[in-house]
Amino acid sequence: EDKVVQSPLSLVVHEGDTVTLNCSYEVTNFRSLLWYKQEKKAPTFLFMLTSSGIEKKSGRLSSILDKKELFSILNITATQTGDSAIYLCAVGNAGGTSYGKLTFGQGTILTVHP
Amino acid sequence: DTAVSQTPKYLVTQMGNDKSIKCEQNLGHDTMYWYKQDSKKFLKIMFSYNNKELIINETVPNRFSPKSPDKAHLNLHINSLELGDSAVYFCASSQRRQNSGNTIYFGEGSWLTVV
Repeated sequence: EDKVVQSPLSLVVHEGDTVTLNCSYEVTNFRSLLWYKQEKKAPTFLFMLTSSGIEKKSGRLSSILDKKELFSILNITATQTGDSAIYLCAVGNAGGTSYGKLTFGQGTILTVHP
Repeated sequence: DTAVSQTPKYLVTQMGNDKSIKCEQNLGHDTMYWYKQDSKKFLKIMFSYNNKELIINETVPNRFSPKSPDKAHLNLHINSLELGDSAVYFCASSQRRQNSGNTIYFGEGSWLTVV
C-alpha cells in the first residue's frame, strides 16, 4: 500500500522565519509528488515534482524531490501570517487501475505568528 | 467562475437518512474524484472516474454510490448515513496524461455532519 509521511506534524514560527517541511513516501509505481496548501477550504495546488534534483520555485516557496531517497522538502522563506495553513504532500501512482490516484500524507500544520 | 464546484457546502442530517452531493467541473478534464477528509485531516481517495468509467474504487462501504452522467459531473449518493460518515467530502478533477503527472484540482468541500 502506498504511504506518505510528513514531518513535523505541526510547526509554530514567527514572521520572517524560514521553515522546511518534509515528506517521505513509499509508492509502488511513482509518477509524481505534489504539494498542496489547505486553509479553510479546498487544498490549493502548489507544486508538482516528477524529476529528482530540479527545484521548483514560486515566490518565497520552493520544493525539491529526491527519488533515490524517496523524499521531498518544501521550503518557505520570510514566512508571513498568510502562510498559516495545513501543507499536504501527496504522491501519484502511475500503475494500472491506480493511475491518477493520489495518496496524501497527514499534513503539517504551520502557524505563523506576527 | 469556480473550476470545481460542489453542492451542498454544508449538510446536517440524521442517522439513517439518504443524501446526495453533486459536483461539476468546467475545466474540461476527463477524470473526476471523490476524496474524504476525516477529523484528523487525512485526505483519502474514495472513487475515481475517467470519461464516465469507474477506475478507482477504494474500500468504501456499498452505501456510497458514485454516479457520473457525463465527464463534467460526478455525484455521490450515500444511503443509510452513519455517525462515522461525518467528514468533509472533496470532489476533484484532473486531465489524464500519458507521460507526466496529473495535477488534481479540488472543489471547496461539502461538510457533512450526521447526528
